[in-house]
Amino acid sequence: GDSVTQMEGPVTLSEEAFLTINCTYTATGYPSLFWYVQYPGEGLQLLLKATKADDKGSNKGFEATYRKETTSFHLEKGSVQVSDSAVYFCARLTGGGNKLTFGTGTQLKVEL
Amino acid sequence: EAGVAQSPRYKIIEKRQSVAFWCNPISGHATLYWYQQILGQGPKLLIQFQNNGVVDDSQLPKDRFSAERLKGVDSTLKIQPAKLEDSAVYLCASSYGDRTYGELFFGEGSRLTVL
Repeated sequence: GDSVTQMEGPVTLSEEAFLTINCTYTATGYPSLFWYVQYPGEGLQLLLKATKADDKGSNKGFEATYRKETTSFHLEKGSVQVSDSAVYFCARLTGGGNKLTFGTGTQLKVEL
Repeated sequence: EAGVAQSPRYKIIEKRQSVAFWCNPISGHATLYWYQQILGQGPKLLIQFQNNGVVDDSQLPKDRFSAERLKGVDSTLKIQPAKLEDSAVYLCASSYGDRTYGELFFGEGSRLTVL
């Protein structure tokens, strides 16, 4: 079925390090893809999205490129901050574009 | 703009008891979702409403879970009787319009512990 798979955490980085969180999706059509973030004590919020192949979503210094050939949507940031510590969820639209399916989440811890 | 409101934030019950969660979506949002997030897993859709009609409840365990959205605004999710495996965070989300386009607004969630 339609699903997304993301790397397990926790990922622990020092401040200003480069971040990559891997996400791949099952190749059923060309779904819109998303990254959601959940900061401690808060609800999930949309971080960025891409709706078609080769699109790049970006927000708050984070980027992800929709790669059709590798069915991937990896999240990257060039220099992480302590305030980026959160759980990151990759997600895709399914069910004819009206249902959001999430990955298991990757916890990021950024230390000074 | 007020966000999605949920209550209670925390609830502890014993198995076989009942519990109810309440959600008030963002004003004007036609679509409302209930997700279940078990520790270490991603959110799983339980039920989706468009206005006060059910769009998708395929993953709702209907023998024990029920949900309603009266008047197309706020919603309640009920579990009766609860099982140990129902321990999770129950997330409510809403979106504008009758199609998701993936842009959901989430509440802070209601954490349920079943003992």
